[in-house]
Amino acid sequence: DTGVSQDPRHKITKRGQNVTFRCDPISEHNRLYWYRQTLGQGPEFLTYFQNEAQLEKSRLLSDRFSAERPKGSFSTLEIQRTEQGDSAMYLCASSRENTGELFFGEGSRLTVL
Amino acid sequence: AQSVSQHNHHVILSEAASLELGCNYSYGGTVNLFWYVQYPGQHLQLLLKYFSGDPLVKGIKGFEAEFIKSKFSFNLRKPSVQWSDTAEYFCAVTPLEYGNKLVFGAGTILRVKS
Repeated sequence: DTGVSQDPRHKITKRGQNVTFRCDPISEHNRLYWYRQTLGQGPEFLTYFQNEAQLEKSRLLSDRFSAERPKGSFSTLEIQRTEQGDSAMYLCASSRENTGELFFGEGSRLTVL
Repeated sequence: AQSVSQHNHHVILSEAASLELGCNYSYGGTVNLFWYVQYPGQHLQLLLKYFSGDPLVKGIKGFEAEFIKSKFSFNLRKPSVQWSDTAEYFCAVTPLEYGNKLVFGAGTILRVKS
């Protein structure tokens, strides 16, 4: 399967710990997006990259959150000093530039105790 | 606030019933419109999309959606649902003046009774 893959699929951590999620997009896609989804809500935009450049960040992305896409391929999303409110599904998606059609991974579910 | 609104959070239908899920958006400029579906235990998948042209768009699995610009709406329809259509459906909009990010509605959970 050459779809978007995310790792880990599930992460349980204690409040105050740091966590990192990885996303491998579809190889020919130059845009990569991070979304967050909580129960009963649709996915909320966090940030996106075109190649290695981070072009937009949502106000939802506090300074405890950082995302990178160092070589324009895979991306990481790190959350420092996790809080219970960070518990959510973190979704990665990729697309070709200007198509507007996003292909989503299965998500990384974070539970902060 | 600019947003995407889905009218029903939960819908329960019997097999063979007709389906219409409402979606309205509040962006005034040019938009691209999408419906995504998430089957139980699976990732979000594109059901159909509208960029321009014929406002009646046909997607996979017999779904269609109609873009009515004057009503800022993009409702999803299917004439006869099947048990396998049980899923969560998300309307999403790309307001082009705000870049290329998708803005999602809250989703509608559809349960089809066999």
